[in-house]
Amino acid sequence: QKEVEQNSGPLSVPEGAIASLNCTYSDRGSQSFFWYRQYSGKSPELIMSIYSNGDKEDGRFTAQLNKASQYVSLLIRDSQPSDSATYLCALVGGSYIPTFGRGTSLIVHP
Amino acid sequence: KAGVTQTPRYLIKTRGQQVTLSCSPISGHRSVSWYQQTPGQGLQFLFEYFSETQRNKGNFPGRFSGRQFSNSRSEMNVSTLELGDSALYLCASSFTGTNTGELFFGEGSRLTVL
Repeated sequence: QKEVEQNSGPLSVPEGAIASLNCTYSDRGSQSFFWYRQYSGKSPELIMSIYSNGDKEDGRFTAQLNKASQYVSLLIRDSQPSDSATYLCALVGGSYIPTFGRGTSLIVHP
Repeated sequence: KAGVTQTPRYLIKTRGQQVTLSCSPISGHRSVSWYQQTPGQGLQFLFEYFSETQRNKGNFPGRFSGRQFSNSRSEMNVSTLELGDSALYLCASSFTGTNTGELFFGEGSRLTVL
């Protein structure tokens, strides 16, 4: 049973649009949630962390967490071609072991 | 501030051999965790070391082992290599550990097993 589910995509959006990436999880004990960006051939890079229900904004990025519905999402406003990458959802629960989704590929076309 | 350094970046081995990978964390970080990334399984946690002690271990066979030195540098070893061990091995550095989830990854060591 997959613990962290993401649509593999690719999600294709035009430049300037809002990209919406979603992630669902099964462990209700999960406490911390993260979004990592991974460019092709590169290592993951942390872009957002969220720990409590609601929205957290950082520049063009907004993370949304709903623990009751067990989902976390990432919105990217004013998407740029440089945002084209794979976005990994990750969480940490009571075991303190990070669990990653398989990622959603985002393509932003000019 | 120097990032996480992994060596070697690429290596090719044959089945049955063993391999040792090295990771130098960001200065001041005491936690080093290791991950295997494959197209089929995604990014999977191997183990975490914090102040020279293994703090957590993922669901990998005993052929996968690691250690951490007093300067926080870490090594992982894979013995009796199998074809399925071909993967990108990533290490991540953290000040407080994997429990916070805020990880800084190295560029990885890409292992090919023939």
